[in-house]
Amino acid sequence: DAKTTQPTSMDCAEGRAANLPCNHSTISGNEYVYWYRQIHSQGPQYIIHGLKNNETNEMASLIITEDRKSSTLILPHATLRDTAVYYCIVNPRGRAAGNKLTFGGGTRVLVKP
Amino acid sequence: DAGVIQSPRHEVTEMGQEVTLRCKPISGHNSLFWYRQTMMRGLELLIYFNNNVPIDDSGMPEDRFSAKMPNASFSTLKIQPSEPRDSAVYFCASSLGAGDYEQYFGPGTRLTVT
Repeated sequence: DAKTTQPTSMDCAEGRAANLPCNHSTISGNEYVYWYRQIHSQGPQYIIHGLKNNETNEMASLIITEDRKSSTLILPHATLRDTAVYYCIVNPRGRAAGNKLTFGGGTRVLVKP
Repeated sequence: DAGVIQSPRHEVTEMGQEVTLRCKPISGHNSLFWYRQTMMRGLELLIYFNNNVPIDDSGMPEDRFSAKMPNASFSTLKIQPSEPRDSAVYFCASSLGAGDYEQYFGPGTRLTVT
């Protein structure tokens, strides 16, 4: 599986957009980019995923570069409840691939008032 | 739906004792995963099942660990005998199917082995 590189931590201001970068320079053509987050003392929570097009849902937007070697998760209006560790994961989809998520260290995001 | 249910939420036991962790996946989900999280090693996949059949147990640390899924609505992770280094938070997750769907995690079981 391709590895990802994320900053260890970052702060952002409440109400502002939070932009979380992720590098995945060795990503394969069949690998998707997934984002999960883990709020303190809770299980990880799925946020969004994408292959090559930008994606948006009620939680966040995912911007993937044209060469697919990096991506950015955007939380449009960060709230204090968005304080969490955010994990960027690359993983192939499809039955043969199984569904093995490999979690790295993630980015610890602190939203400040 | 109530989400993935795990029990107990906290378990404290002495070294050498048997520990059984339990998980009820989301109804209708066909894949179930067991993860372990520690400060040192982060979040690791231990084993996953598809349609109640173990597919990949390469993450199970050693023979002291075993997992079963007797039916679609119940799974156990057993540690026998337990050791202090097994202390961790154990998460169960489920997904609709293998390879195609997002995983939904339970609240975890915090295990402390003294």
